[in-house]
Amino acid sequence: GNSVTQMEGPVTLSEEAFLTINCTYTATGYPSLFWYVQYPGEGLQLLLKATKADDKGSNKGFEATYRKETTSFHLEKGSVQVSDSAVYFCARSVNTGNQFYFGTGTSLTVIP
Amino acid sequence: EAGVAQSPRYKIIEKRQSVAFWCNPISGHATLYWYQQILGQGPKLLIQFQNNGVVDDSQLPKDRFSAERLKGVDSTLKIQPAKLEDSAVYLCASSFRGVNTGELFFGEGSRLTVL
Repeated sequence: GNSVTQMEGPVTLSEEAFLTINCTYTATGYPSLFWYVQYPGEGLQLLLKATKADDKGSNKGFEATYRKETTSFHLEKGSVQVSDSAVYFCARSVNTGNQFYFGTGTSLTVIP
Repeated sequence: EAGVAQSPRYKIIEKRQSVAFWCNPISGHATLYWYQQILGQGPKLLIQFQNNGVVDDSQLPKDRFSAERLKGVDSTLKIQPAKLEDSAVYLCASSFRGVNTGELFFGEGSRLTVL
């Protein structure tokens, strides 16, 4: 089937700590992969994306690499800030019909 | 550029009542999506339109939910009659073309509470 599995939260880190949020996918074909972020009180917004295998998406210090061999798209950041506190959603699209599916979300809290 | 507009932002109703949500996508975006986001869960696709045609409504509870996009622009999502488990945020999103290389633009959502 077509699904996205995310690391369960919540995750609490100290400022400047290293962040990894795991995401794996199952899909037929060759999906594009995305990370969306939802800051408190705001709507979902795109954080980064990768459209083919071995692509690396990056934005605001966050990175994720499309790994076809492990069907993964893990989100990483070397040094988190308090302002990174949010819920992060892994998502994928499928070519046929342009369907778009989200994981369950991982809540991140960064403490000073 | 104006973003995706949704209304109302908040709605409280009693079970068995009806409710309607409205969405106006970004101008020129052919694809429109309605998602249901229950607290603590990821958004779940309810229905996807391409212009005024339905692409995917496989997860729409059709006995109580309906949606339309008559002129291929704005859209309405209706719930009748509402159940307690319909309490959620209803998100509208739009995209210019296919999502594989593009992205979805989300509205702020309509929060429904069913008592």
